[in-house]
Amino acid sequence: GAVVSQHPSRVICKSGTSVKIECRSLDFQATTMFWYRQFPKQSLMLMATSNEGSKATYEQGVEKDKFLINHASLTLSTLTVTSAHPEDSSFYICSASKGTEAFFGQGTRLTVV
Amino acid sequence: QKEVEQDPGPLSVPEGAIVSLNCTYSNSAFQYFMWYRQYSRKGPELLMYTYSSGNKEDGRFTAQVDKSSKYISLFIRDSQPSDSATYLCAMSDMSTNAGKSTFGDGTTLTVKP
Repeated sequence: GAVVSQHPSRVICKSGTSVKIECRSLDFQATTMFWYRQFPKQSLMLMATSNEGSKATYEQGVEKDKFLINHASLTLSTLTVTSAHPEDSSFYICSASKGTEAFFGQGTRLTVV
Repeated sequence: QKEVEQDPGPLSVPEGAIVSLNCTYSNSAFQYFMWYRQYSRKGPELLMYTYSSGNKEDGRFTAQVDKSSKYISLFIRDSQPSDSATYLCAMSDMSTNAGKSTFGDGTTLTVKP
């Protein structure tokens, strides 16, 4: 397999502040990473596709100005939740593709108070 | 109608039982089929992936794909309490990276000692 590390695993922030989540592929290079959001007892909802060296591709209904994605290198993608609100509280998960397989990070539990 | 349908369960079995998890799908373009295991508050872990139709076995796990019926299965033999988790099926077509997959809603499995 391959290892994808996501940090932090849990974060609590105040309304109006911004939070950055990092996703790293530790032992392989990933030209494409993906960001998902998961609500309790529901499946993963794809938010955006992060491409190294170019702009992210957002899914319909996802605000690109609110969820900023930067794929700075072949091993790092970041998701910044800007001006967070309580409704942004959720479990955010990244994945990185290695060939035809996808490997997921551990997830980040975001709570906005 | 969802592209991928998965019975959410919950499914409860005694230790040692054979578990059968299933998904149906409607998109005939899907070529890659994956099964993920997700423990509570963790990111999904890739268990099995299969290309096109056929069977694949890995230890106690067997994945089956029947493209003619648009039906996939995951069998777990000699189930253990440590198998208790949510199992997600996922699928993608050849034109996309594996990470941009369409997920089922997941089936929650409990294996009782």
